[in-house]
Amino acid sequence: EPEVTQTPSHQVTQMGQEVILRCVPISNHLYFYWYRQILGQKVEFLVSFYNNEISEKSEIFDDQFSVERPDGSNFTLKIRSTKLEDSAMYFCASSARGGGDTQYFGPGTRLTVL
Amino acid sequence: DQQVKQNSPSLSVQEGRISILNCDYTNSMFDYFLWYKKYPAEGPTFLISISSIKDKNEDGRFTVFLNKSAKHLSLHIVPSQPGDSAVYFCAASAPFSGGGADGLTFGKGTHLIIQP
Repeated sequence: EPEVTQTPSHQVTQMGQEVILRCVPISNHLYFYWYRQILGQKVEFLVSFYNNEISEKSEIFDDQFSVERPDGSNFTLKIRSTKLEDSAMYFCASSARGGGDTQYFGPGTRLTVL
Repeated sequence: DQQVKQNSPSLSVQEGRISILNCDYTNSMFDYFLWYKKYPAEGPTFLISISSIKDKNEDGRFTVFLNKSAKHLSLHIVPSQPGDSAVYFCAASAPFSGGGADGLTFGKGTHLIIQP
């Protein structure tokens, strides 16, 4: 069964450093998403991406964040200058269609900012 | 502002009985609702969904009911099995005016514990 994959599973970084989280969405999906879950809190939407551009973003997704689809398979989330409060699980998701279509999630990357 | 609310942080049910997880929402623009199951250190796993044009959707042991007038949905699991023990998230999406990808709004989750 096709699945979303994410690397690395755990990333530890120093405050102020740049990190890139990587995702490989399900191959025939066209819509891509990033979410995060701070420990003990709910899953929060960050950004969605379609047709090589950002479709929708939340207020969390400020100028420190960027997304890219550098090739036909990868989808990345970059945090330019990490802060302590960026420590969270980051989940990538993809869907075949937009709108009310099911989003399938990857296993997540645990980001720890020291 | 909690647009999707799961008011029970945890629920304990005996194996073989019915588990009922509840979810309320406030945004009348939501038109698609999903339930996800999540184990620790894993991503949310899709369980079942329902469009706002329906009031019930069934898939095996899982049934989701939607009451639009009450802005309430529930997930029924019957019979409950030990492997069902996990955190269950209710999520919702609203139509995006640009016709693109809609972010999901999640509830805080309910930890379901199935007791043998």
